[in-house]
Amino acid sequence: SQQGEEDPQALSIQEGENATMNCSYKTSINNLQWYRQNSGRGLVHLILIRSNEREKHSGRLRVTLDTSKKSSSLLITASRAADTASYFCATDASAGGFKTIFGAGTRLFVKA
Amino acid sequence: DGGITQSPKYLFRKEGQNVTLSCEQNLNHDAMYWYRQDPGQGLRLIYYSQIVNDFQKGDIAEGYSVSREKKESFPLTVTSAQKNPTAFYLCASSIRDRLYEQYFGPGTRLTVT
Repeated sequence: SQQGEEDPQALSIQEGENATMNCSYKTSINNLQWYRQNSGRGLVHLILIRSNEREKHSGRLRVTLDTSKKSSSLLITASRAADTASYFCATDASAGGFKTIFGAGTRLFVKA
Repeated sequence: DGGITQSPKYLFRKEGQNVTLSCEQNLNHDAMYWYRQDPGQGLRLIYYSQIVNDFQKGDIAEGYSVSREKKESFPLTVTSAQKNPTAFYLCASSIRDRLYEQYFGPGTRLTVT
């Protein structure tokens, strides 16, 4: 199975509500990233959190990392219709050279 | 205006034909990557290159080949040996010190019939 697995697979909310997506992984990591993908497009890097960080903010985004539980969450506050997209977490491996593993993603739909 | 371009956006080929997907970047990034994305799934790494004239296999390199003759360009050839080539292909790049902060192109959707 994949290193990064997002939960839920799909999420539908009203504009203005908060959206929370979770990511679990299996092996030790150096860092974890979150990306956004609009339908049929490339990915956009949102935020990177290092293994020694617990929380990071960027605008309306808040990412937490719990290395003891091997999990991360992405919170989007005051969501907008334009936030409708798929969100992926990606992890690296802490040993053995370059390797990045993407999860299957959470599809977020924000209703106007 | 810096960025990564992939062409074409849509590509159709007959089974048994090789096809080359283009990826060009003007971000002056050292590292470039190719990923494959299947419906409802995450990305899987095909090949990556951290420097000109050098590249490494990713998790699913079988049936694919690449070259890195120029810093700006990292073309991917999908050969007839690739058993299930229909997919969405994404190219990305990054600076060498930030391999995990990747900039993605818009992707090429390849359909092989």
